[in-house]
Amino acid sequence: KQEVTQIPAALSVPEGENLVLNCSFTDSAIYNLQWFRQDPGKGLTSLLLIQSSQREQTSGRLNASLDKSSGRSTLYIAASQPGDSATYLCAVRTGANNLFFGTGTRLTVIP
Amino acid sequence: KAGVTQTPRYLIKTRGQQVTLSCSPISGHRSVSWYQQTPGQGLQFLFEYFSETQRNKGNFPGRFSGRQFSNSRSEMNVSTLELGDSALYLCASSPFMTGGGTEAFFGQGTRLTVV
Repeated sequence: KQEVTQIPAALSVPEGENLVLNCSFTDSAIYNLQWFRQDPGKGLTSLLLIQSSQREQTSGRLNASLDKSSGRSTLYIAASQPGDSATYLCAVRTGANNLFFGTGTRLTVIP
Repeated sequence: KAGVTQTPRYLIKTRGQQVTLSCSPISGHRSVSWYQQTPGQGLQFLFEYFSETQRNKGNFPGRFSGRQFSNSRSEMNVSTLELGDSALYLCASSPFMTGGGTEAFFGQGTRLTVV
C-alpha cells in the first residue's frame, strides 16, 4: 500500500527566508504528484502538479521537484511571506486513480 | 469559472442519524472524488464517481455511500452516524477519470460534527 510521509511536521521561519518541504512515497508507480495548501478549516488549494515523467514544476515563488525512482519530492518556497503560513500537503495519484496524502507540514512564517 | 461547491459548509447531527452532503464539480469535470479528513487519520479516500458510476472505493464501511447525477453533481450519504464520523469531508473534481494528467481541484469542504 502506498504510504506518503512529509518532513518536517511543523516549521517556523522568519519572513524572507527560503525553505524546503519534503515528501516521500513508498511506491514509485505513480501517475503524478500534487502539492496543496490548506488554511485552517478550509479546503485544499492546488499549488503544483508534476507528472510522473517530469522532474520539476514552477509557479511564482514555488518550485516543486520529483524524483520518482527514489520516491521523493520537494517543495521550495522562495522569499517566504507571512501569507504563506498554512499546512502544505503532498499527494500522489496511483493507478487506482485516488490520491494518497501525506500528513502535511504546518508552516509558520514570522513577520 | 466557478470552483467546486460543497453544501452545506457546516452540519451538526446526532448519533444514529443520517446525513447527505452535496458536491457540484467544476463545469465540464466528470470525475468526483470524496475524502474524509480527521486530525488522527489525515486525508483518506472514500470513493470516486465518473459518469454516474462508482469507479473506485476506499476502505470505509458500507454506511458511507454516494451517487453521481447526470450533470456530474455528486452526493455522499452517511447512515447511522457515529461520533467518529465527525470530520471535514472534502470533494474533488477532475476533468478525466483515468490517471496521468488528471489534476484534482477541491471544494471548501463540509464540516460534520456528530454529537
